[in-house]
Amino acid sequence: QVQMQESGPGLVKPSETLSLTCSVSGGSISGFYWTWLRQPPGKGLEWIGHIYNTGTTKYNPFLKSRITISLDTSKKQFSLRLSSVTTADTAVYYCARDNGVTAIDFWGQGTLVTVSS
Amino acid sequence: QSVLTQPPSVSAAPGQKVTISCSGSSSNIGNNYVSWYQQLPGAAPKLLIYDNYKRPSGIPDRFSGSTSGTSATLGITGLQTGDEAVYYCATWDFSLSVHWVFGGGTRLTVL
Repeated sequence: QVQMQESGPGLVKPSETLSLTCSVSGGSISGFYWTWLRQPPGKGLEWIGHIYNTGTTKYNPFLKSRITISLDTSKKQFSLRLSSVTTADTAVYYCARDNGVTAIDFWGQGTLVTVSS
Repeated sequence: QSVLTQPPSVSAAPGQKVTISCSGSSSNIGNNYVSWYQQLPGAAPKLLIYDNYKRPSGIPDRFSGSTSGTSATLGITGLQTGDEAVYYCATWDFSLSVHWVFGGGTRLTVL
């Protein structure tokens, strides 16, 4: 069974860069799209972007200029960097696995990141 | 404003059936597979339905999915209090750049 765990700071200051890492266990990195999503408090889900095991990335067009997703296959970890954050970026951030653009089949438990001075 | 439109809430009594609709367009539901997710209070979303109607291992057949044109529907029969959750539909969208889009979520209350 694939398990995923997010890690990173829970508090980020406005204008700074949010950085999170997801550790994957119990499955292969190959053949899947490793995905970040977020959910502002009390609101719905938003897809941030994903990275394939070859390193190819795809980002939400509305966030694209601020996002970088990277992958370390040797550590079975992938990371999110979101620059120039504002209070609107406060959310629970989830890492997840996309099985090939038909479903997001495994999710981490999520981590709350608050943007505040 | 979500790309996919869901009713904010539905409710039904235990043992009854409920359906949740998800409306999109030709740039998303009309030409891509739909998946459905269940988010219990305080938990991460969980995959319920993929490829429009398929159920992952462990998901009971009380949950079903269907599509027609640019809309999708999640059906839940034999409602249980444990089904109280927010349900999201999702699919790929090709209108701007290829990316996942979600419905705004539907809160199910089992009265």
